Amino acid sequence: DSGVTQTPKHLITATGQRVTLRCSPRSGDLSVYWYQQSLDQGLQFLIQYYNGEERAKGNILERFSAQQFPDLHSELNLSSLELGDSALYFCASSAGVGNEQFFGPGTRLTVL
Amino acid sequence: AQSVTQPDIHITVSEGASLELRCNYSYGATPYLFWYVQSPGQGLQLLLKYFSGDTLVQGIKGFEAEFKRSQSSFNLRKPSVHWSDAAEYFCAVGAEGGSYIPTFGRGTSLIVHP
Repeated sequence: DSGVTQTPKHLITATGQRVTLRCSPRSGDLSVYWYQQSLDQGLQFLIQYYNGEERAKGNILERFSAQQFPDLHSELNLSSLELGDSALYFCASSAGVGNEQFFGPGTRLTVL
Repeated sequence: AQSVTQPDIHITVSEGASLELRCNYSYGATPYLFWYVQSPGQGLQLLLKYFSGDTLVQGIKGFEAEFKRSQSSFNLRKPSVHWSDAAEYFCAVGAEGGSYIPTFGRGTSLIVHP
């Protein structure tokens, strides 16, 4: 158990819908990262927050957004969902920038 | 830009045999290097990391990796594989400074035969 929690574990929705994925980092970790894992793209970095502020952006679509709240949990919002958004979404946390990342168990999103 | 290549998509070994998973990276300066393992239905777990110093790094579960700058490699090894080692293995390279975001390889799937 990494100490990072993600909810829900599974999510099934339809095209065009909007979903929110939630992540609670390890106690004391200030940095949260979001990744998308799919068969064709592998593990892709989406976005990083550090202590509430956006720190880095990766291959995140404009339909996707995220935020980190004062209690340090983070949410990833995916809207206007397409079939190709079906993937595993991981959250990771670290104590700071450059520290080891601890991954959550992931949320499996299926878009029908 | 940094990149990671894991040349082997699948590796099959017999239980008790030795293992080496290959990883090559591309980065201009001294990289931070990692190996993660992902069991089915699980998140990624860090096996070991290299930041500086001794180029032979010991990790958890009996794994080790050797950083070879001249070959831009960071291969993962284990002397005797157990059936529970069957999983997906990811090599990652990170850059010092800035926001530091690791780039992951596509992964190598390890199959262990009894």
